[in-house]
Amino acid sequence: AQSVSQHNHHVILSEAASLELGCNYSYGGTVNLFWYVQYPGQHLQLLLKYFSGDPLVKGIKGFEAEFIKSKFSFNLRKPSVQWSDTAEYFCAVGLYSSASKIIFGSGTRLSIRP
Amino acid sequence: DGGITQSPKYLFRKEGQNVTLSCEQNLNHDAMYWYRQDPGQGLRLIYYSQIVNDFQKGDIAEGYSVSREKKESFPLTVTSAQKNPTAFYLCASRAGQGAGQPQHFGDGTRLSIL
Repeated sequence: AQSVSQHNHHVILSEAASLELGCNYSYGGTVNLFWYVQYPGQHLQLLLKYFSGDPLVKGIKGFEAEFIKSKFSFNLRKPSVQWSDTAEYFCAVGLYSSASKIIFGSGTRLSIRP
Repeated sequence: DGGITQSPKYLFRKEGQNVTLSCEQNLNHDAMYWYRQDPGQGLRLIYYSQIVNDFQKGDIAEGYSVSREKKESFPLTVTSAQKNPTAFYLCASRAGQGAGQPQHFGDGTRLSIL
């Protein structure tokens, strides 16, 4: 069965630290990849997505992610985090074989110390 | 403003009772989704629909039912067969049938058992 793994359940960083959140998926076919963010009390919103082309994609608020096909990974990065980045982050995978099916990872809670 | 409206925001269910969660979108999106969000488990796909009068089971469809009679509406019924219904339920929609389109999410319904 297809699955998405986010191994970091809770990450705690100080402001200005660098961030990398892991995302791995198990699916052998073509995929589209997404990172969503859920700020406290707000609904889920798209951070960035990979559809095709350059495997390094840039999103909003200084986030970027790199698709490494050989590793089935799509890790999220930010060089210098801010207190306002405190949120829960979800990786999601869209499956080409079932064009509308999108599955999510378990999420990573990011806490930033001011 | 275009968006997704979920109602009610909070819902209480008695043992043995069916309840229906509403999801309406005015984004003219073809695909709609229901997810269940539990702490530490991320979003798990219950049902999704690519077009009107068609829907598919997700990973945890048992104890739930849906209908898609209109493009803008995708109600979810939590039946008495769902033994652990207490959770936060999220509805989403997406334009087109291509896997690369991101989802738009509603604000969610929190269901609790009395």
